[in-house]
Amino acid sequence: AQKVTQAQTEISVVEKEDVTLDCVYETRDTTYYLFWYKQPPSGELVFLIRRNSFDEQNEISGRYSWNFQKSTSSFNFTITASQVVDSAVYFCALLRGATNKLIFGTGTLLAVQP
Amino acid sequence: ETGVTQTPRHLVMGMTNKKSLKCEQHLGHNAMYWYKQSAKKPLELMFVYNFKEQTENNSVPSRFSPECPNSSHLFLHLHTLQPEDSALYLCASSQVGTLASSSYEQYFGPGTRLTVT
Repeated sequence: AQKVTQAQTEISVVEKEDVTLDCVYETRDTTYYLFWYKQPPSGELVFLIRRNSFDEQNEISGRYSWNFQKSTSSFNFTITASQVVDSAVYFCALLRGATNKLIFGTGTLLAVQP
Repeated sequence: ETGVTQTPRHLVMGMTNKKSLKCEQHLGHNAMYWYKQSAKKPLELMFVYNFKEQTENNSVPSRFSPECPNSSHLFLHLHTLQPEDSALYLCASSQVGTLASSSYEQYFGPGTRLTVT
């Protein structure tokens, strides 16, 4: 079975705090892809990052960083020095290799207070 | 801007109306998708079109009817909807093919907020 769990429903932080959004996935496939999307209040899902199952290198892009650990089936997302504009719902998603069906988690609502 | 547009952005319709949602992608992709996003529920995949052919119908009621006339356009025809169909309907596109040519990430439009009265 394929499944994505985002246990944190809502997180509230104060601007400039660091925050980590957790994502745990389940799959029996050896080839798969993991994604993070951001959904601001406007509604559009914005693609942030894709990792494939063969590449466990962590990635940093500005204030964003991602920690992929196959041993714990986790793909966590950290925002450093959060800003009000980071307020959104963040979704983690899983895609099986050779298919194009994305399986989404339930999302984490991040509220960054000024 | 993600290159996927959807119209209308908001739609209110009665249960006896017929309306259509339109999606257009300007990314040169060959796969398109319809998703439903209801409050407090995960995103639900409704339909998948690969190379204009429908390859997935995720047990969607027949009151939703998709149409994909070409690889850039996708429609969702709605008729005799129920109040529980009120939701945000999102369209997405991606490039699929060989492992070398696929990019896998799906790019989403802004969605149509549908209210059924």
